[in-house]
Amino acid sequence: DAKTTQPNSMESNEEEPVHLPCNHSTISGTDYIHWYRQLPSQGPEYVIHGLTSNVNNRMASLAIAEDRKSSTLILHRATLRDAAVYYCILRFTYYGQNFVFGPGTRLSVLP
Amino acid sequence: SQTIHQWPATLVQPVGSPLSLECTVEGTSNPNLYWYRQAAGRGLQLLFYSVGIGQISSEVPQNLSASRPQDRQFILSSKKLLLSDSGFYLCAWRAPNRGRFGRAFFGQGTRLTVV
Repeated sequence: DAKTTQPNSMESNEEEPVHLPCNHSTISGTDYIHWYRQLPSQGPEYVIHGLTSNVNNRMASLAIAEDRKSSTLILHRATLRDAAVYYCILRFTYYGQNFVFGPGTRLSVLP
Repeated sequence: SQTIHQWPATLVQPVGSPLSLECTVEGTSNPNLYWYRQAAGRGLQLLFYSVGIGQISSEVPQNLSASRPQDRQFILSSKKLLLSDSGFYLCAWRAPNRGRFGRAFFGQGTRLTVV
C-alpha cells in the first residue's frame, strides 16, 4: 500500500529554510515521489518530483533517502506566499477507498 | 499551453436535487482525467478517473457518476444530492503515457454545499 505519512503542521520564520519530511516506508521500486501544495480555496499545484536522486527546481529541492523510505522537501527561503498545505504522494490513483492525497502538512510562515 | 477549466466555482444545492459539474482541458490530447473530492480540513479522495472517451473507473461507491463524452471533457453528476456530498470538488489532468512520473494539473475547484 503506497501510503505516505507527514506531520500535521509546521511553522517557519520568513526567509528561513524549511524542511518538510515525508515517510513512505512501503514505496515500490517504480514509485515516484511527488510533492504538491495547496493554497486556501485553490486546487493543488505541482512542486517537484523525483525517483532516486535529489532534485532541484526554481520552487524547491527534494532530498530522497538512499533507501527511498523517506524524503524531504526543502524550501530554501520561506516566504509568506509559501504558507500552504504540502502533500507528499506516490500515486494518483488507488484501488479502494484510500485517500490519494493524505492530510498533508500545513505550513505556517511567520513574518 | 495547456489549461484546465472547471465550473462553477461555488454551488449551493438542496438535498435531492441533481448535480452537474463540468471540467474541460485545452491544449492537450487524450489526457488522463480525474475527479477528486476534499472534505473540509481533509485530504483529497479520488472519485473517478478516465483514460479515454467513455472509459470511467470509479474508486468510491456513492451516488455520484462521471462521464467523458469528449476527449477533453469530464463531467461529474448526481441524480439526487445528499448532505454528505458537500465538499470541494477538484478536476485534474495528466498527460497520457507518462506513467508514474507525470505531473498533475488541477482546476480551481468547485465548492459544493448541499443544504
